[in-house]
Amino acid sequence: EGQVVESGGALVQPGGSLRLSCAGSGFTFNTYWMNWVRRTPGKGLEWVANINKDASIKRYVDSVEGRFTISRDNAQNSLYLQMNSLRAEDTAVYYCLAWGPISFWGQGTLVTVSS
Amino acid sequence: DTVMTQSPLFLPVTLGQPASISCRSSQSLLFSDGSTHLTWFHQRPGQSPRRLVYMVSDRDSGVPDRFSGSGSGTDFTLKISRVEAEDVGVYYCMQHSHWPHTFGQGTQLEIK
Repeated sequence: EGQVVESGGALVQPGGSLRLSCAGSGFTFNTYWMNWVRRTPGKGLEWVANINKDASIKRYVDSVEGRFTISRDNAQNSLYLQMNSLRAEDTAVYYCLAWGPISFWGQGTLVTVSS
Repeated sequence: DTVMTQSPLFLPVTLGQPASISCRSSQSLLFSDGSTHLTWFHQRPGQSPRRLVYMVSDRDSGVPDRFSGSGSGTDFTLKISRVEAEDVGVYYCMQHSHWPHTFGQGTQLEIK
């Protein structure tokens, strides 16, 4: 059974940085588009960024463009989200989502941006 | 951005009775290749979301056949033929025909 597990969530001050990681197992990682989705109390679920199988395509929602960077390491079956210049409105539970013939969601990791 | 509007937002249902959730998009989800990228997810309390239906009407492996998706263009529906206790939680529609991919607000299904 495939799964993805996120890590790296923390309390960080506005303007700070954080790197989220997602480890995939039980499926052929390099054949899946990988995604970061977040849940906030005010906006519900929001698609943050995605990356194609060989990392040649990366897309971001406008609100994080230029601040967040998605990347992957297929040799390590891992997905990352580098988050810079964090704002209060980035506070959310961040989910890793593997998208393919089967879809796998992680359990989420909480990012809190607050002074 | 493509706005996804679900209704109802709260759905109390008696066990064994049918249920239906509507999802409307602010623009057509018909993709350039003729496909329509509309997906339904279910999130049980305390769990991560689970994909139920993709491409409007294709059920994921392991999803009971009491779940069915239908629709086209801008109007879509998820139907549960006979609600069971394990069906409680929040249902989301999501489109990925246009970037950014967007979700509906969610429909909370509870047992009466």
